[in-house]
Amino acid sequence: DAGVTQSPTHLIKTRGQQVTLRCSPKSGHDTVSWYQQALGQGPQFIFQYYEEEERQRGNFPDRFSGHQFPNYSSELNVNALLLGDSALYLCASSLASWGSEQFFGPGTRLTVL
Amino acid sequence: AQKITQTQPGMFVQEKEAVTLDCTYDTSDPSYGLFWYKQPSSGEMIFLIYQGSYDQQNATEGRYSLNFQKARKSANLVISASQLGDSAMYFCAMRLTGGGNKLTFGTGTQLKVEL
Repeated sequence: DAGVTQSPTHLIKTRGQQVTLRCSPKSGHDTVSWYQQALGQGPQFIFQYYEEEERQRGNFPDRFSGHQFPNYSSELNVNALLLGDSALYLCASSLASWGSEQFFGPGTRLTVL
Repeated sequence: AQKITQTQPGMFVQEKEAVTLDCTYDTSDPSYGLFWYKQPSSGEMIFLIYQGSYDQQNATEGRYSLNFQKARKSANLVISASQLGDSAMYFCAMRLTGGGNKLTFGTGTQLKVEL
């Protein structure tokens, strides 16, 4: 049973560019959440997708957007990259029901130069 | 708004000893869940243990136990019989009943287990 997978593992971009990160949820899960973890910090909630719609959003600018596909996989897009966007981006999947445990992927490490 | 505080940036423990990692939280919601995750250097967050705000007993999972003191708003993680493989970052997190499945994390504690 495959767990949560994310691609790519590492990514290097320059300021002003755009990036797309991908996540495949654990088998049977229908909800995907994205978190940003800056160096030395705890993860910060970006947003959550369920039934192909953004259901909840954290305190992140509109440069951060996402998408969920019919097979429940998800993308995180970041436009106009800033140096401060350098971080580990974690995807977590769960069931929609409250109380469902979130399973995390290995993350994508984004470096913005 | 909810907040998690972890005041220990780093901790050292000798192999086979027990260690307590501190976590305090702040919320006005009566219903919430508290979690502990382990993050090795590889980056993946590994779920360790969960405590619901209405649970009468402290949660235990193998060598992990959660010392839940509701009145003090603390949820400390106790790791018994530490192993070298326990060396990692440990995060405390909270989820509110009315907050969907969003997790709010603390800043973490770096644990190093020594021989």
